[in-house]
This record gives sequence, structure tokens and C-alpha cells, in this order.
Amino acid sequence: GAGVSQTPSNKVTEKGKYVELRCDPISGHTALYWYRQSLGQGPEFLIYFQGTGAADDSGLPNDRFFAVRPEGSVSTLKIQRTERGDSAVYLCASSSDVNEQFFGPGTRLTVL
Amino acid sequence: SQQGEEDPQALSIQEGENATMNCSYKTSINNLQWYRQNSGRGLVHLILIRSNEREKHSGRLRVTLDTSKKSSSLLITASRAADTASYFCATPNYGGSQGNLIFGKGTKLSVKP
Repeated sequence: GAGVSQTPSNKVTEKGKYVELRCDPISGHTALYWYRQSLGQGPEFLIYFQGTGAADDSGLPNDRFFAVRPEGSVSTLKIQRTERGDSAVYLCASSSDVNEQFFGPGTRLTVL
Repeated sequence: SQQGEEDPQALSIQEGENATMNCSYKTSINNLQWYRQNSGRGLVHLILIRSNEREKHSGRLRVTLDTSKKSSSLLITASRAADTASYFCATPNYGGSQGNLIFGKGTKLSVKP
């Protein structure tokens, strides 16, 4: 595909459940980023991958959040024991140059 | 915490008018970027200005950067209804990594036809 894709586009879950959010970056982009955006706020950095490794995971709020990128392409953001406060739009971006990130449409997560 | 703060939070103008949005940041940077977001979903990169540049143009967009005041402005000239969106400034968080962008809260622009 031409752009970054994210699945699912919407996810509704119950408090305490486990969720996985998927990101397919632009082909050839070595860098991949996850952000979280709450209503009325700008995106908040979570984690950045360079290739298969997490170059910076300083934005992950706690150990319930984990992300992987095992083959250096697709990435999965995993959230354990979801809480209502995790409800947000989760944005993925990829880039070949740190100076311009290409964003996907996001996954809207709602925790009931 | 968010470094960039856009001003105003919301802006409503008529088609054809110019729109100016401002951004202030806290720490030293080597570049600043502006992004646009429609309907609360994916962001689109608009323009990047480096710390050694004072002004940059791209089509109807003009960005200025004043590193002494730690501020930037985005001007959209001859606005169109399709420019209605939220606009964010973003700066690299070098305390973390070059890939770690810090976004402001955004300016919500409404252009009325």
C-alpha cells in the first residue's frame, strides 16, 4: 500500500482485557513510531523503533504497554489489563528520515 | 509533558482570509515541524524549518522561526474551506531520541465558505 495502515480502525473492549493494535508501515521505512492522542490534545510519544529494536521506549506509560516489531516491518502495540484511561486514538507513523513522519489513520480504542 | 503550545486554541475565519497560528516551545531545538490533522485521525506533515532558517515557504504556507523567542508561526494565505483542520507544531525531544516528537495541543482552524 501507499501509506501507513492501522488495524483495527476502532476497538471497543472491557476494562481488564488485553488488546493488540497493528501497524503496517510504508514499505522500506526503517523507523516506526507509536503515539497516543487523547481528545483535545496533541499526539503523545510512546515508542520508536529503528529496525527491529526499540530505540526509545521512554513514552510507554507503564509495564502494561508493550510493543514489538519482530521483522523490522509490521509492529504490534500490546496493552494488558486495559483501563478506562487507556481510551484514546493510537497513532502509528513511519519514516525513512526522522525529520518527516508519515502517519496512519489511527486506531480508536474505547475501554468500557 | 508537551513542549509546544499553539496559540490560539481555535480560530474561525472566512474563506479567502489569512490564518496565522503560533507555537511556543521550551528547550533548544534544531528543527520545528508543522502537521495538519483532519477529523482527529492521521496527521500530515506540512513543513519543517531548521534552527538556522528564519522563514520558509511552501505553496500557500509560510513558516517563521524565532529561536531567540522560542516561537514559530504558521501562516496560511488565501484560506479555503478545505483548510479546516487542526494544526500542530512538533519539536524533537533530544532528551529522548531524534525520533521522539513532542506535539503541542494544536490550533483548530475553521474556514467558513
